[in-house]
Amino acid sequence: AQSVTQLGSHVSVSEGALVLLRCNYSSSVPPYLFWYVQYPNQGLQLLLKYTSAATLVKGINGFEAEFKKSETSFHLTKPSAHMSDAAEYFCAVSLPFTGGGNKLTFGTGTQLKVEL
Amino acid sequence: DGGITQSPKYLFRKEGQNVTLSCEQNLNHDAMYWYRQDPGQGLRLIYYSQIVNDFQKGDIAEGYSVSREKKESFPLTVTSAQKNPTAFYLCASTLGQAYGYTFGSGTRLTVV
Repeated sequence: AQSVTQLGSHVSVSEGALVLLRCNYSSSVPPYLFWYVQYPNQGLQLLLKYTSAATLVKGINGFEAEFKKSETSFHLTKPSAHMSDAAEYFCAVSLPFTGGGNKLTFGTGTQLKVEL
Repeated sequence: DGGITQSPKYLFRKEGQNVTLSCEQNLNHDAMYWYRQDPGQGLRLIYYSQIVNDFQKGDIAEGYSVSREKKESFPLTVTSAQKNPTAFYLCASTLGQAYGYTFGSGTRLTVV
């Protein structure tokens, strides 16, 4: 079985500061990992994904994440926060080639607040 | 443009009534999913379908039912047996595991 843990349900940063959202995963095989963003009353939008190619993955809106197998982590970063980054962020994991309907397991989310 | 359409965006129902949420996609994806979202609990899987005329229960299927008669459509019925139906419901589809999901914009159901 797979799971993800997002440390910190709420993170607050100043505009222009580094954004770091933490995600740790648990899986029995090398996983696929995803980060999604959700704005209020909207669906989730894919930010980036790791599917066993490069360990440093770049996504949309200036976000990137690094897969670290030794730390079982996939933290999301952005060098400089913008007000428009304020949203909820979800980390998700799936196990490739194990059947089970391509299911994603989601973390509980991290609400990012960006202050002036 | 291809995508997933959920309707309606807001839905109000009286307690004890069944209600059906619509989910339509034109992405030609085989797999479709229904999630329920509650504050602080992330997304919980209700039902999923990998092909037409087949679907599987997720983690919280009690009180819900689905059908998959067409590839494009995966409606969710919230029955009167669901004890706490007020929530935000999200539909998603995928081409395969490496692609992640495409989500609809959600339906907020309020039962009064």
